Amino acid sequence: AQSVTQPDIHITVSEGASLELRCNYSYGATPYLFWYVQSPGQGLQLLLKYFSGDTLVQGIKGFEAEFKRSQSSFNLRKPSVHWSDAAEYFCAVAPYGGSQGNLIFGKGTKLSVKP
Amino acid sequence: EAGVTQFPSHSVIEKGQTVTLRCDPISGHDNLYWYRRVMGKEIKFLLHFVKESKQDESGMPNNRFLAERTGGTYSTLKVQPAELEDSGVYFCASSQDSAGVQNTGELFFGEGSRLTVL
Repeated sequence: AQSVTQPDIHITVSEGASLELRCNYSYGATPYLFWYVQSPGQGLQLLLKYFSGDTLVQGIKGFEAEFKRSQSSFNLRKPSVHWSDAAEYFCAVAPYGGSQGNLIFGKGTKLSVKP
Repeated sequence: EAGVTQFPSHSVIEKGQTVTLRCDPISGHDNLYWYRRVMGKEIKFLLHFVKESKQDESGMPNNRFLAERTGGTYSTLKVQPAELEDSGVYFCASSQDSAGVQNTGELFFGEGSRLTVL
């Protein structure tokens, strides 16, 4: 069965430091991959997505992610974290051929930002 | 433009009672999805409407859950009778393109309805 693993439940970084959130997926073919963010009191917002092509994708708010097929990973990165980035981040996969909108999510990584 | 709105934001009920959650998608969005996050676990797909029709309800946990979308506008998710394990946050999402998430890439999520069953 398809699955998404986010190994880090909670990460704390200092403001201005770089960030990498890990995501690994289990799926036979190349899936469609997403990162969502949920800020306090808000719904989930799409940060970026990968369908095909360039394996380094740029998203909103200065985030980027790199798809690595050999490692079944889709890690999220940001070079310099801002206090407003404190939120919970979810990696998700949409298996090709699956129900449209049937996303499989990881458990999420909560990001805290120290001043 | 209004986003996806969900009501209530938080509901506390006793085991055996009934609760109805409501979702108003973004106007014009044919696709409406329900997801659920039980504490400490993943957000899990429940079902997908295209207009008023259920496209996929493979994630519905059991027959205590009933989702409707009369007229293809807002949707309700009823839990009857509620059990302790139903506690969690219920998310609704909508998307415009009927071609699906692979093409549009974006589901617009509401803030969620938190359900606590005592």
